[in-house]
Amino acid sequence: AQKVTQAQTEISVVEKEDVTLDCVYETRDTTYYLFWYKQPPSGELVFLIRRNSFDEQNEISGRYSWNFQKSTSSFNFTITASQVVDSAVYFCALSGERRIKAAGNKLTFGGGTRVLVKP
Amino acid sequence: NAGVTQTPKFRVLKTGQSMTLLCAQDMNHEYMYWYRQDPGMGLRLIHYSVGEGTTAKGEVPDGYNVSRLKKQNFLLGLESAAPSQTSVYFCAISLIGGKGETQYFGPGTRLLVL
Repeated sequence: AQKVTQAQTEISVVEKEDVTLDCVYETRDTTYYLFWYKQPPSGELVFLIRRNSFDEQNEISGRYSWNFQKSTSSFNFTITASQVVDSAVYFCALSGERRIKAAGNKLTFGGGTRVLVKP
Repeated sequence: NAGVTQTPKFRVLKTGQSMTLLCAQDMNHEYMYWYRQDPGMGLRLIHYSVGEGTTAKGEVPDGYNVSRLKKQNFLLGLESAAPSQTSVYFCAISLIGGKGETQYFGPGTRLLVL
C-alpha cells in the first residue's frame, strides 16, 4: 500500500521568510512518481511538479525548489522569499507506474500543509 | 486545468435526493478520475475510467455510480445522497509524457447534503 505523510498541518511565516514543507512517502514500487499540488483559497488544485523515482536530480523553479531523497523517502518543497500569494494548502502526492493501459493510476495524497504568509 | 470543466460548481441536496455531477474535457483524454476532498484531508479516489465505456472502482466507491458513455464526459451519480457525502468533488484527467503521467484537475464541485 502507498502512503504519504505531511506532518506539518499549518505553517505561518512572515513575508520574505523561507518555508520548507516536508513530505515522507511509503511505497513498494520500484518505479513511482511524486507530485506537489497547490490549492489556493479559491479552491482549485494547481499542479506544481512531478518527480520520477529514477531521476534524483533536484529541481529549482524560480522561488520554488524540491529536494528528493530516495534514501529517506522524502520529497521536500521549499519556497524561498515567501510572498502573500504563496498562502495556500500544499499537497504532496504519490502514484505508481501504470503497468497496463487498462489499469487506473491512483494518486495517493498526503493530508496537506496550510501555509500562511503574513505581510 | 487541461481543459477540464465541472458542472455544477455548487449544489445543496437534501438527504435521499439524487444528482449527477458532470466532468467534461475537450482534448480527447483517455483517463479520467473522480476524487473527493473532505475538510483537512487530501483527495481520495472514488471511481475512474480508462476509456469510453469503461469504469472501475477506486478507494471509496460506496454510494456512487459513474458512467462514461462518451469519451468527453465522465458522470458521477449519487442515487440517494447522505450527509457523509458532503464534500468537494474533483475530476481529473491524465496527461502522459516525459516518462510518466500527470493528473490535472477540474475546478471542483462543492456539494452540501443536509
